[in-house]
Amino acid sequence: TAGITQAPTSQILAAGRSMTLRCTQDMRHNAMYWYRQDLGLGLRLIHYSNTAGTTGKGEVPDGYSVSRANTDDFPLTLASAVPSQTSVYFCASSDSGTHGELFFGEGSRLTVL
Amino acid sequence: GQNIDQPTEMTATEGAIVQINCTYQTSGFNGLFWYQQHAGEAPTFLSYNVLDGLEEKGRFSSFLSRSKGYSYLLLKELQMKDSASYLCAVRDSNYQLIWGAGTKLIIKP
Repeated sequence: TAGITQAPTSQILAAGRSMTLRCTQDMRHNAMYWYRQDLGLGLRLIHYSNTAGTTGKGEVPDGYSVSRANTDDFPLTLASAVPSQTSVYFCASSDSGTHGELFFGEGSRLTVL
Repeated sequence: GQNIDQPTEMTATEGAIVQINCTYQTSGFNGLFWYQQHAGEAPTFLSYNVLDGLEEKGRFSSFLSRSKGYSYLLLKELQMKDSASYLCAVRDSNYQLIWGAGTKLIIKP
């Protein structure tokens, strides 16, 4: 059972370079999310999508962009990476038909030097 | 502002019981979640409370008091595999999740 798949698992990136983190789900969930997790802080929402074709900004959207061309895919793009974007990134999805528990991917560890 | 408070770290003994507290101040309330996260892994859903009272699920129970802005997660018969971080999250009036920083639970033999 795949659930949510993220790629890459980890990446080292030079500052100023662009990077796309991929996220694919096979649960047909309407809503998808991108979070970053930093030591000592709670998960922070970057961007979300309630349904295919729509996206919204979360708590920390600056420097990131997303697209939702179809139900399954929700890529996160860093146009010009900066060291403060070093973090662990989690993609998640939820089914609006339940109480909305999140299903998370395994995470992508990004280091920007 | 919105805030979720939980202890940073707790230590307990294998076979014992531990209670992890979570207090919250949010703009509205539409449910409280507990997630478990093992080191280097993704968070996984443990429990959901939207009404006051206790929800029991095997060795884990979660309690909610909306009037006090308070929840706890109770873990019984602790096992070494319960060593993990436990994340409290509240869904606010905009249906956005507000996350606590997590409580790292260390289980000792």
